[in-house]
Amino acid sequence: AQSVTQLGSHVSVSEGALVLLRCNYSSSVPPYLFWYVQYPNQGLQLLLKYTSAATLVKGINGFEAEFKKSETSFHLTKPSAHMSDAAEYFCAVSTNQGGKLIFGQGTELSVKP
Amino acid sequence: NAGVTQTPKFRILKIGQSMTLQCAQDMNHNYMYWYRQDPGMGLKLIYYSVGAGITDKGEVPNGYNVSRSTTEDFPLRLELAAPSQTSVYFCASRAHVRDRANQPQHFGDGTRLSIL
Repeated sequence: AQSVTQLGSHVSVSEGALVLLRCNYSSSVPPYLFWYVQYPNQGLQLLLKYTSAATLVKGINGFEAEFKKSETSFHLTKPSAHMSDAAEYFCAVSTNQGGKLIFGQGTELSVKP
Repeated sequence: NAGVTQTPKFRILKIGQSMTLQCAQDMNHNYMYWYRQDPGMGLKLIYYSVGAGITDKGEVPNGYNVSRSTTEDFPLRLELAAPSQTSVYFCASRAHVRDRANQPQHFGDGTRLSIL
């Protein structure tokens, strides 16, 4: 069975600081991995996805994630946080069975001025 | 450029009432999904559909029903509302590409449901 674990339900950074949101997955087959962002009172928006073409994936709004098979990780990073990055972030793994997504618990990112 | 549209956005129900949450997508996606989101729990899959006339249970289907008579619409039915069903409900859709499970899901803005 596949699963996703996000370490830290809440992360707080200062504006301009590095953002690091952690995601570890469990999968018996090569995974398809996604990061989504959710702004208050909105639905989920795709940030980036891993599809095995490249281990370093670049997404929207300056975010990127690196797939590390040996560590079963897919951490999300951004070099310099902006106030507008404050949101909840979800890591998810996709199954081949109907393309269903298994979500992590989410990490709420706060950005301090 | 509508994408996935959910109605209503907010609703308050009394225990035992029933209601239907509507979901429509205009992207001609075959796959559609219903999730519920509870604080600190991420999103849990309730039901999904791989095409018109085909539905299947997800992780938390009890207390819900779905139907898929058209490609565009995927309504979620609560028959006897219970306080445990207080949640935010999201509908999503995805294109089907053969042997490609990496197609992203597109989400609606959600329905916030309170049952009192």
